[in-house]
Amino acid sequence: QLQLQESGPGLVKPSETLSLTCTVSGGSISTSSYYWGWLRQPPGKGLEWIGAVYYVGSTSYNPSLESRVTISVDTSRNQFSLRLSSVTAADTAIYYCARHLRGYDLLTGYYSWFDTWGQGTLVTVSS
Amino acid sequence: DIQMTQSPSSVSASVGDRVTITCRASQSISSWVAWYQQRPGRAPKLLIYSATTLQSGVPSRFSGSGSGTEFTLTISSLQPEDFATYYCQHTNSFPTWTFGQGTRVDI
Repeated sequence: QLQLQESGPGLVKPSETLSLTCTVSGGSISTSSYYWGWLRQPPGKGLEWIGAVYYVGSTSYNPSLESRVTISVDTSRNQFSLRLSSVTAADTAIYYCARHLRGYDLLTGYYSWFDTWGQGTLVTVSS
Repeated sequence: DIQMTQSPSSVSASVGDRVTITCRASQSISSWVAWYQQRPGRAPKLLIYSATTLQSGVPSRFSGSGSGTEFTLTISSLQPEDFATYYCQHTNSFPTWTFGQGTRVDI
C-alpha cells in the first residue's frame, strides 16, 4: 500500500526558506505517468497546488509561486523535496505531499488528479 | 483562468439523507472534474475523477455526474463518516489544478 509521509521543521522565520521532504513507501517513486507534488492549505481555507516533479527530475510549478519554489527528487531514497524561499506569514499552512496521475489529452492538454496523499504537516511562519 | 464555484458552502444533514453538492465552472470543461473528501484534521481523499468515475475503494453511495459547466457530487445515504468538507477540482487546469472553495457537510 503506497504511503507518503512529510517531514521537516514546523516553524520557519519570515524571509527564510521552508524545506520539507516527502518519503514514499510501499511503491517506487520511479513510476511512469505519476508526478509527485506538493499542495498546501492555510488553516480553515482551501487547497492550493504548489508544484510537482517527475522521477526523471522535470518539474512544473504554480505560476503564483514559481519564483520562490524548487522541487527536487531523490530516487535512491524514494523521496522528493520542497523548498519555498522568502516566506511570510501568508505561507503558514498545512503542507501535503501527494501523488498525481498526469496524462495528456490531444484535444484539451494535460490532465491530473491526486490519488494518494500524505497526512500533512503544519508549517508556521513566525519570528 | 477558469473558476470553480461550489454550492452550497455548507449544508446540514442527518444520517440517511441524500446530499447533493454542486460545482460550477466559469466555462465548459467537458468532464474534467474530480471530487475529494476531507475529514476534519485529515488529508483530502480522492472520491471521483473524470466527473463520474468512482475511485477504487470508495463506497458506491458516492456518485458524480455532469459535464460542461455543472457538476454534482451525490451521497445517496449519508453515513456518520461522511461528515466532512468536499472539494471539486478542475483536472484540466494545468499548471494550477484549480480547486473549488469547498462544501462542508455537517450534522
